[in-house]
Amino acid sequence: EVQLVESGGGLVQPGRSLKLSCAASGFTFSNYGMAWVCQAPTKGLEWVASISTGGGNTYYRDSVKGRFTISRDNAKNTLYLQMDSLRSEDTATYYCARHGGTVFDYWGQGVMVTVSS
Amino acid sequence: DIQMTQSPSFLSASVGDRVTINCKASQNINKYLDWYQQKHGEAPKLLIYNTNNLQTGIPSRFSGSGSGTDYTLTISSLQPEDVATYFCLQHSSRWTFGGGTKLELK
Repeated sequence: EVQLVESGGGLVQPGRSLKLSCAASGFTFSNYGMAWVCQAPTKGLEWVASISTGGGNTYYRDSVKGRFTISRDNAKNTLYLQMDSLRSEDTATYYCARHGGTVFDYWGQGVMVTVSS
Repeated sequence: DIQMTQSPSFLSASVGDRVTINCKASQNINKYLDWYQQKHGEAPKLLIYNTNNLQTGIPSRFSGSGSGTDYTLTISSLQPEDVATYFCLQHSSRWTFGGGTKLELK
């Protein structure tokens, strides 16, 4: 069974950093691209970033480019999102998702990030 | 960037009703359109991928259609467990979600 479990969320002040993790199991992690998708409170979903199977290719939405870094450790079956220079508008639930091709075929339960002073 | 306009944003229907939800892309997305269901407090679940392909385990009352810029999700006979918010997603160029449709029982 495919499982994606996010961790690392919490309350952080504007301008500070936070690193999210996503532990994957139930599939060969290194064979799949991965992504982060966020959902602000009472809002819709927004794609944040994606990474290729080996980590050599990364893609970001414009609003996080230069502030967020997606990475992966295939030996540890773990996906990461380093979030720097956080803003109040980054407040959201962050989901880890597996790319089945270009489709998000499996999702984690999400982790909440609150940016507030 | 491709924009996705989803309608309606809210829908109330009765058990057994046929329900349709629409998404319109700002440009041709060549059928690279998926539909997701999100129940309250849960992660989104993939229902249909590439316009009309039913994900494994999804009931056959769900179907998708469309081409070019216009796409539709249809629930042929609404069931109580279908109460959820539904999102479309284009993946023709990067990834953009529609704004969502909250489906409730009348």
